[in-house]
Amino acid sequence: GDSVTQMEGPVTLSEEAFLTINCTYTATGYPSLFWYVQYPGEGLQLLLKATKADDKGSNKGFEATYRKETTSFHLEKGSVQVSDSAVYFCALSDPPQGGSEKLVFGKGTKLTVNP
Amino acid sequence: AAGVIQSPRHLIKEKRETATLKCYPIPRHDTVYWYQQGPGQDPQFLISFYEKMQSDKGSIPDRFSAQQFSDYHSELNMSSLELGDSALYFCASSSTGTSGSDTQYFGPGTRLTVL
Repeated sequence: GDSVTQMEGPVTLSEEAFLTINCTYTATGYPSLFWYVQYPGEGLQLLLKATKADDKGSNKGFEATYRKETTSFHLEKGSVQVSDSAVYFCALSDPPQGGSEKLVFGKGTKLTVNP
Repeated sequence: AAGVIQSPRHLIKEKRETATLKCYPIPRHDTVYWYQQGPGQDPQFLISFYEKMQSDKGSIPDRFSAQQFSDYHSELNMSSLELGDSALYFCASSSTGTSGSDTQYFGPGTRLTVL
């Protein structure tokens, strides 16, 4: 079945450091890929998405490129801030013909940014 | 912009009791998804509805049932609660068109504690 593997955390960085969180996937079809962020005590917020190969999703300084050849969707940010501290989930949606588009999530990576 | 509303936000129940969680999707969204997130875990898909019909089913126990009503809100009913049901329950909504569902937007979640 479909699955998502993402970098185990926790990740601790200093403010303005470069961030990479690795994410690879296994899917039978042509999935859409997402990064969701969960701040402490809150729900899941969509950070960015890409729906086809070579698409780049970007938002709030974060970027991720859909790489079909390496089945990857790594999250990057050039300069993190304390306010970026959260848990980041990579997810995919790979519906069968006419099926629902449920999300399959990775285990999540907790990021802590220190001032 | 209107978001997904879930109620209650927090719920405490005893073992073997029942619980009802409610979800009000974003206006004009016709698809609702339910996910369960255990402590420190990734969200797991439970069940989804499109136009008031069940569209997919995941790892939902037989003790749980759900439905979507004519106003598109959804309820998750949980009976014979067990300690292991303690989790954060998310509802997400999306708009399903001819090319499939749009992005899922998540509510803030209901935190269920079973004592």
